[in-house]
Amino acid sequence: GENVEQHPSTLSVQEGDSAVIKCTYSDSASNYFPWYKQELGKGPQLIIDIRSNVGEKKDQRIAVTLNKTAKHFSLHITETQPEDSAVYFCAAEGTYKYIFGTGTRLKVLA
Amino acid sequence: DVKVTQSSRYLVKRTGEKVFLECVQDMDHENMFWYRQDPGLGLRLIYFSYDVKMKEKGDIPEGYSVSREKKERFSLILESASTNQTSMYLCASSSGTLEQYFGPGTRLTVT
Repeated sequence: GENVEQHPSTLSVQEGDSAVIKCTYSDSASNYFPWYKQELGKGPQLIIDIRSNVGEKKDQRIAVTLNKTAKHFSLHITETQPEDSAVYFCAAEGTYKYIFGTGTRLKVLA
Repeated sequence: DVKVTQSSRYLVKRTGEKVFLECVQDMDHENMFWYRQDPGLGLRLIYFSYDVKMKEKGDIPEGYSVSREKKERFSLILESASTNQTSMYLCASSSGTLEQYFGPGTRLTVT
């Protein structure tokens, strides 16, 4: 069945360093890959997304890369700040729905 | 500004009670979703609806039912709450296959 694996489950970085979260998906028909950030006490919020006709997308300090052949995509956060501390979820488009990864808890240490 | 609201932020119920979780969106979205979120398991889809009165089972529908009588409202029903249904419940809505907008969540405790 459809599946998305996400690694690592927890990640601690020093403020100013980069963070990378990786996901692999199983459904080769998936064409849309969003990333969500969930802060404490809030629902997940979309931070960046990528479609399969694009290999990389960047928005200020965050970027996402996609390798459709290998069926994996990654989130890159540069110059991390304390406010980047949150849980991050990747997802892959399914039929009428998303398949979510299990989440990565990112801690940025001041 | 887009908005998905959930009827309660925190809820405590007893085993065997019937529980209703309500979700309302103001974006005229066709699609609505109910997820539960548990540590280490991520977001798991319970049910979704792509139109009024339509519903589809997600990955973990057992013990739950849903109702969508109006486009803006999607209700999750626990017919007889059990302790293993203690969780965070998240509602979301979307138009087509675009971005899903999430509500703030309801933390349900069943004792």
